[in-house]
Amino acid sequence: GAGVSQSPSNKVTEKGKDVELRCDPISGHTALYWYRQSLGQGLEFLIYFQGNSAPDKSGLPSDRFSAERTGGSVSTLTIQRTQQEDSAVYLCASSLRWGGGDTQYFGPGTRLTVL
Amino acid sequence: GENVEQHPSTLSVQEGDSAVIKCTYSDSASNYFPWYKQELGKRPQLIIDIRSNVGEKKDQRIAVTLNKTAKHFSLHITETQPEDSAVYFCAASRAGGTSYGKLTFGQGTILTVHP
Repeated sequence: GAGVSQSPSNKVTEKGKDVELRCDPISGHTALYWYRQSLGQGLEFLIYFQGNSAPDKSGLPSDRFSAERTGGSVSTLTIQRTQQEDSAVYLCASSLRWGGGDTQYFGPGTRLTVL
Repeated sequence: GENVEQHPSTLSVQEGDSAVIKCTYSDSASNYFPWYKQELGKRPQLIIDIRSNVGEKKDQRIAVTLNKTAKHFSLHITETQPEDSAVYFCAASRAGGTSYGKLTFGQGTILTVHP
């Protein structure tokens, strides 16, 4: 079946611009996670969705970052007034059930470059 | 919060040798420990996971061991093959409770298997 998909695959933007990154989870998966992977680094948790609600936003690095999920499916991560330190690969993952312990399936990521 | 340390950062072995990657975690409430393999330019993919109610799990050439008392877990790959070359990430999370299953990742190990 279809896996997690993300768009765009690559995004180059100028400092100060806003960007939107999209994630399509596996159909029927109730939990959705956003992670960030900087060059040569591990994955850093950003935000978690349980259905359409986000009970854990603890990883968002600043108030320039926000995310939403609609219809229990597609999620959008928005970064306002981008900075060069926002450059990274943004990965989305979904799992069948929320609460943890289920396999998280990752998307291919969006590589964001802020010039 | 949880902190996961992973060693070594790079590992080079000859084809057919074994490879061992070790991780330690700080949160004694963590109870789910997945390992992900990430090939260059690809998404992370789960290769094996272990829960805190078992001490060892094996899947063909891959095994994971868990020592809850010492708060460390290890990945063992036997009879390595060139296609095992990739970055390997360990992770830890609480299944259940308020962590909602967010994964805290180690920094990754670059494994190179020489033919």
